[in-house]
Amino acid sequence: DAGITQSPRHKVTETGTPVTLRCHQTENHRYMYWYRQDPGHGLRLIHYSYGVKDTDKGEVSDGYSVSRSKTEDFLLTLESATSSQTSVYFCAISDGKGQETQYFGPGTRLLVL
Amino acid sequence: AQSVTQLGSHVSVSEGALVLLRCNYSSSVPPYLFWYVQYPNQGLQLLLKYTSAATLVKGINGFEAEFKKSETSFHLTKPSAHMSDAAEYFCAVSDTGTYKYIFGTGTRLKVLA
Repeated sequence: DAGITQSPRHKVTETGTPVTLRCHQTENHRYMYWYRQDPGHGLRLIHYSYGVKDTDKGEVSDGYSVSRSKTEDFLLTLESATSSQTSVYFCAISDGKGQETQYFGPGTRLLVL
Repeated sequence: AQSVTQLGSHVSVSEGALVLLRCNYSSSVPPYLFWYVQYPNQGLQLLLKYTSAATLVKGINGFEAEFKKSETSFHLTKPSAHMSDAAEYFCAVSDTGTYKYIFGTGTRLKVLA
């Protein structure tokens, strides 16, 4: 497996609280991504980063923000968690565009009550 | 805009039978295509990818897929199913110059003894 860790692996939180998920890589890959996985939807891109401090929105970015202050870390923040953000969150990394493989972390299971 | 359609959210096959998982894409430019496998409570693992070098692509665990431009398809096959193939399979598309993958909604494969 590519050197990708996600923390926490499981989290239960209450509606309205802020939540931060962390993705850490040891591969020195330039590109990092946050996806959410929901039944019937596959994986949907939330935000991605193409370098330190360079980020952009994906298809389901509302309610989420990201930061990348170091190559190895990509943080996803739910500013005020809602029940609709209950999901499994995956981080991915790649070393380029297009044909380059994205490698996935083990996921974080988030439950918002 | 790119899109991916996976026909059949659930597929059941008997052990030893042919596995066929369908993926059709919509792309205005030559695409890059990927198949990933996800075992329970794990991240996604790359099975194989098409990057225009050859239309028949061989991957891990005995899987292969054939790119058919005329049919806009990239179906995944394995001649003989094994119990360990039970998992969820995702098709994804990307193209030159983009960081983004578009994922299909997934097909859950069940292998019957």
